[in-house]
Amino acid sequence: AQRVTQPEKLLSVFKGAPVELKCNYSYSGSPELFWYVQYSRQRLQLLLRHISRESIKGFTADLNKGETSFHLKKPFAQEEDSAMYYCALFGPGNQFYFGTGTSLTVIP
Amino acid sequence: GAGVSQSPSNKVTEKGKDVELRCDPISGHTALYWYRQSLGQGLEFLIYFQGNSAPDKSGLPSDRFSAERTGGSVSTLTIQRTQQEDSAVYLCASSLEPFRDEQYFGPGTRLTVT
Repeated sequence: AQRVTQPEKLLSVFKGAPVELKCNYSYSGSPELFWYVQYSRQRLQLLLRHISRESIKGFTADLNKGETSFHLKKPFAQEEDSAMYYCALFGPGNQFYFGTGTSLTVIP
Repeated sequence: GAGVSQSPSNKVTEKGKDVELRCDPISGHTALYWYRQSLGQGLEFLIYFQGNSAPDKSGLPSDRFSAERTGGSVSTLTIQRTQQEDSAVYLCASSLEPFRDEQYFGPGTRLTVT
């Protein structure tokens, strides 16, 4: 069973529009959740983690245990945000579970 | 300092041959991870090392896959008797401590089994 679900494979928004990349997880314990990003021709890198409650590049993500979600949000998308985004869960079996990723395109 | 490096960057091999993929983590990182990324799939966690030991090998897809790490540094992922379904990008990452620390990823090795 998928531990991490990212329902949108592709997402396009216009520059300046709000963006939300969805992530749902399946884990009854205390989850640790992350968002990783891969820009074109670059390596996968950490964007943010829920435990640090930080905002990186204008992105935030709130853990909602009731809805088992960790959606990534940004109020005003920029062209440089175009990338592949992966939601990840550190959970059962001391393993990392990654979603299938969402490819975000910000249209100028 | 250099980031995580992997070699080779690309590998084409014939079905049935063995391949060895190498990962050089960031110096001082105790944890090292291997992932597989198949077309249209997310990242599949294969195995992690804390120091030289791999506490849990259950993520390896089959007994054709093995991994080792020596000297708390370089790691190799070996695939024996490769199959076409092994074709994927194999990513390595390292972190200062296991799991909760940021993982730094390598560029990956693209394996194609013909």
